[in-house]
Amino acid sequence: AQRVTQPEKLLSVFKGAPVELKCNYSYSGSPELFWYVQYSRQRLQLLLRHISRESIKGFTADLNKGETSFHLKKPFAQEEDSAMYYCALSVSNFNKFYFGSGTKLNVKP
Amino acid sequence: KAGVTQTPRYLIKTRGQQVTLSCSPISGHRSVSWYQQTPGQGLQFLFEYFSETQRNKGNFPGRFSGRQFSNSRSEMNVSTLELGDSALYLCASSPGGPVETQYFGPGTRLLVL
Repeated sequence: AQRVTQPEKLLSVFKGAPVELKCNYSYSGSPELFWYVQYSRQRLQLLLRHISRESIKGFTADLNKGETSFHLKKPFAQEEDSAMYYCALSVSNFNKFYFGSGTKLNVKP
Repeated sequence: KAGVTQTPRYLIKTRGQQVTLSCSPISGHRSVSWYQQTPGQGLQFLFEYFSETQRNKGNFPGRFSGRQFSNSRSEMNVSTLELGDSALYLCASSPGGPVETQYFGPGTRLLVL
C-alpha cells in the first residue's frame, strides 16, 4: 500500500543552521512527490514538487528512489521558515494524494 | 483570481445528524478534491471530482459522499455523524489534468458532539 512517513513531528533549529525534514514513501512505481507548507493562520500551499526541480525559498528536495526518500533541505534556516511541512505522494494519473503526518519546523532566533 | 472558498467555516452538530459542506474552486479549475484532517490521522484523501464525476476515492465509509455541479462547485455530505468525524475538512482545486498542484481552501471545522 502507498504510504508517506515523516518521522519527526517537531524539528527545532536555530536561525542560520541547516535544516532537513525527512520524508520516506512506499510505492513500487514511479512516484510524483510534493512538499506542501502551512504557515501560521494560512492555507496549505505548495512549496515544491520534484518534477520541476525548482528551489523555492531556498528549499530543495531530491528524490532518492533507492532509499524511497524525498527529504527537504535548506542550508540556512530563517525564522520565517517556521511552519508545518507536509510531504505528499501521488500514484495515480490524477489527483489522488497521500500525505504524511507533517513536521512542525520551529526556527529559533 | 479568487482562491478556493469553503462554507461554512465552522459547524457544530450532534451524533446522528447529517452535514453538507460546500467548496467553490478557483475559476477555471474543474477538479475538486476533499480531505479530512485530524491530529491523529493527518490529512486523508476522501474523493476527487472532475466534470461532475467522481474520479478518485479514498478509504472512507459510504456515509461520506460528494457531488460536483456543472459550475465545478462541489459539496460533501456526511450522514449519521459520529464523534470521530470531528475534523477539519479541506477542499482543494486544480485545473483537472494529471497530478497537478492542489490549491487548498481554508477548511471547514466540524465538531460533532
